[in-house]
Amino acid sequence: DAGVIQSPRHEVTEMGQEVTLRCKPISGHNSLFWYRQTMMRGLELLIYFNNNVPIDDSGMPEDRFSAKMPNASFSTLKIQPSEPRDSAVYFCASSLSGPNVLTFGAGSRLTVL
Amino acid sequence: AQKVTQAQTEISVVEKEDVTLDCVYETRDTTYYLFWYKQPPSGELVFLIRRNSFDEQNEISGRYSWNFQKSTSSFNFTITASQVVDSAVYFCAFNYGGSQGNLIFGKGTKLSVKP
Repeated sequence: DAGVIQSPRHEVTEMGQEVTLRCKPISGHNSLFWYRQTMMRGLELLIYFNNNVPIDDSGMPEDRFSAKMPNASFSTLKIQPSEPRDSAVYFCASSLSGPNVLTFGAGSRLTVL
Repeated sequence: AQKVTQAQTEISVVEKEDVTLDCVYETRDTTYYLFWYKQPPSGELVFLIRRNSFDEQNEISGRYSWNFQKSTSSFNFTITASQVVDSAVYFCAFNYGGSQGNLIFGKGTKLSVKP
């Protein structure tokens, strides 16, 4: 298996622009997670899906952030409009349901100027 | 609420030294899981180990060993005879053991191993 695939790996955009991050989980995994990593806040969970259904989105910072999982093999995290404070590394991870090992993608480094 | 504390922000050692990374957790759950992940300079997060709350046996994997003590709510990680390639940020993480699989991460400990 190719692991969790994230794109783009790097994104530089200007404030106010829309950003879409993409994730392909490991085939057969039914849980998908979006985490954000910053120096100040460390690794924080943004949203978690189980069987394509959002279970916990309490970590989504504000309405500018939205996430979808239209099918078992694809998820997006969208930021509209983007702000400089959104600059971070965004990780997608997948696992089997329950307290199992999360396999992380390589991350998407977002810079908002 | 569950919480994971890694009090050591940065540690620097010389190659071949042993080093222990501390992890303390807080929970009222009786069933839970603890994890360690490694984040090398390349940035990916690599799984190292998972333990459940009912298994306090220490574990050894090559130069890595883990000491789980429920009495002190700690799950410490020791690297024996450290190598430059061990330089990374190490994260301890917690899962409460229910149907949800999300991990609560500590802030991480940055380990620098100098030749």
